[in-house]
Amino acid sequence: DVKVTQSSRYLVKRTGEKVFLECVQDMDHENMFWYRQDPGLGLRLIYFSYDVKMKEKGDIPEGYSVSREKKERFSLILESASTNQTSMYLCASSFPGGNEKLFFGSGTQLSVL
Amino acid sequence: DAKTTQPNSMESNEEEPVHLPCNHSTISGTDYIHWYRQLPSQGPEYVIHGLTSNVNNRMASLAIAEDRKSSTLILHRATLRDAAVYYCILNSNSGYALNFGKGTSLLVTP
Repeated sequence: DVKVTQSSRYLVKRTGEKVFLECVQDMDHENMFWYRQDPGLGLRLIYFSYDVKMKEKGDIPEGYSVSREKKERFSLILESASTNQTSMYLCASSFPGGNEKLFFGSGTQLSVL
Repeated sequence: DAKTTQPNSMESNEEEPVHLPCNHSTISGTDYIHWYRQLPSQGPEYVIHGLTSNVNNRMASLAIAEDRKSSTLILHRATLRDAAVYYCILNSNSGYALNFGKGTSLLVTP
């Protein structure tokens, strides 16, 4: 079975901490994505990457950065966590191309206190 | 980026067919129409996709309008396990910003 694995299911951090959310896929996908999901707002794209060391901003990149040093791993970084970054974070991956399906991880519920 | 519009919520009785609509009036010729669903406490999962022709798989059917400005996901016999949020998105060869929006929350009642 293909897999997208997010390192933590639940995470609690304090305001001002640097937070790393890790995502690993085992399908050799070029594309990887980070979304956040909040009640009533659906999924919103934060950043995506279409190759190693490549990244593109999504709709809501403010307060976040990403790292893609290896093809299978895409990290989301909160440089200084704030309470408004409390959310469910979802990672996804796919091959390039409009007819390629996305595979999602189970999500990380981050609480910033 | 082309956007999609879906009703916020729909309700269905168990074992009845469900037709979930999606409007995408600004779709471009190379955009594929994808549907995903998200069960409670899980990440979204792929359901079906198509370009121009109607598509069937074991989960659902996808009916695409001739002008491609709308599509309908069809669940032939809804079960309680089909209660989820259904997302219609456009996936393009030329762009990577896959906007999911809010989707349609499907309630299935016994």
